[in-house]
Amino acid sequence: SQKIEQNSEALNIQEGKTATLTCNYTNYSPAYLQWYRQDPGRGPVFLLLIRENEKEKRKERLKVTFDTTLKQSLFHITASQPADSATYLCALLQGAQKLVFGQGTRLTINP
Amino acid sequence: KAGVTQTPRYLIKTRGQQVTLSCSPISGHRSVSWYQQTPGQGLQFLFEYFSETQRNKGNFPGRFSGRQFSNSRSEMNVSTLELGDSALYLCASSPVGRNTGELFFGEGSRLTVL
Repeated sequence: SQKIEQNSEALNIQEGKTATLTCNYTNYSPAYLQWYRQDPGRGPVFLLLIRENEKEKRKERLKVTFDTTLKQSLFHITASQPADSATYLCALLQGAQKLVFGQGTRLTINP
Repeated sequence: KAGVTQTPRYLIKTRGQQVTLSCSPISGHRSVSWYQQTPGQGLQFLFEYFSETQRNKGNFPGRFSGRQFSNSRSEMNVSTLELGDSALYLCASSPVGRNTGELFFGEGSRLTVL
């Protein structure tokens, strides 16, 4: 069966360090993989999209990698700040306009 | 540009009642999707509408229904509410022609069923 797994439910990182979140998938062949940020009580906010033919994508302090052989995406936040504390969700497109989400990783950046 | 607007933000219902939630997409966005979010199941796809037509449906019982109006606004309805329907219901819109799937979410409607 198709599955998306974010293998850490929660992650605590010291301010200034790099946070690395993992998203693995099985039985998908996605053309794109997306990452969202969700704050408590709010809707998810789109952060980055990476295509299957892209190895890496960057946006300010964010970096996403996509390895279609390993079926894995890594999401990095460099020089992390307490304001980066949130839940981060990866998502794959399944058919037209249907996103399937991982369970999310709750990231806490400690001052 | 205004974001996706969902009403009401919070509501409490009792078992057996029905509820209607409303969503106004970003201006110019014609695709509207609905998701249910619970602590146990995470974000689960309910359905997606484009030009007043349901194009996609998730694995939810027939008690969950939706519709889209000619101005792209959408509503979803849950009938015969059960305790397990307590969740954050999220609406998301996306622009025409965007086949990469990124969604713009509203703040959600928090439904509590007692």
